[in-house]
Amino acid sequence: KAGVTQTPRYLIKTRGQQVTLSCSPISGHRSVSWYQQTPGQGLQFLFEYFSETQRNKGNFPGRFSGRQFSNSRSEMNVSTLELGDSALYLCASFPGYTSTDTQYFGPGTRLTVL
Amino acid sequence: GNSVTQMEGPVTLSEEAFLTINCTYTATGYPSLFWYVQYPGEGLQLLLKATKADDKGSNKGFEATYRKETTSFHLEKGSVQVSDSAVYFCALISGYSSASKIIFGSGTRLSIRP
Repeated sequence: KAGVTQTPRYLIKTRGQQVTLSCSPISGHRSVSWYQQTPGQGLQFLFEYFSETQRNKGNFPGRFSGRQFSNSRSEMNVSTLELGDSALYLCASFPGYTSTDTQYFGPGTRLTVL
Repeated sequence: GNSVTQMEGPVTLSEEAFLTINCTYTATGYPSLFWYVQYPGEGLQLLLKATKADDKGSNKGFEATYRKETTSFHLEKGSVQVSDSAVYFCALISGYSSASKIIFGSGTRLSIRP
């Protein structure tokens, strides 16, 4: 079974631009969650989706948004980019709704904001 | 709220040394506990997990035992290899959470000298 895939793997943007990141979960997985990883803040939860509905959201400004499609693929969007948005953005998928499900992570998208 | 505390790194060991990375947690209810590993330039990979007290997770020579009485989930390996050099994250998912928001520790960087 193919793992979680994320595209693109690397991205360079300038301040004020917007960016869209994509995540394809493991086949059959209905839940997707997103995380931001930075050296200073570590891994921070962004949001989680199950069957196209956002179930949970982390403490990030409204510039960060996401959605999930009927095929479980997910996108996250960051508008009006700031230097501090430079980070590794990780997506994880898991089979269903159970809170103890193991999450499987993709390789991440490395975003650099200049 | 829920939290995970890991020993600070970096941890540097010689090949074939014994490894312990400490992890303690605070959580309501009965969390599931995880160790994830992140190799340079990659996303997170699940290393092992335990879903109830006294369970032992094991994989690739690594072990961790879910200790409810000490709220700990320390990672151990009897003989480390250079290829074990990576960042290790302890994490929990609260069993009472209606959404599987995973809480990560800050990560411990492990370097193994040949």
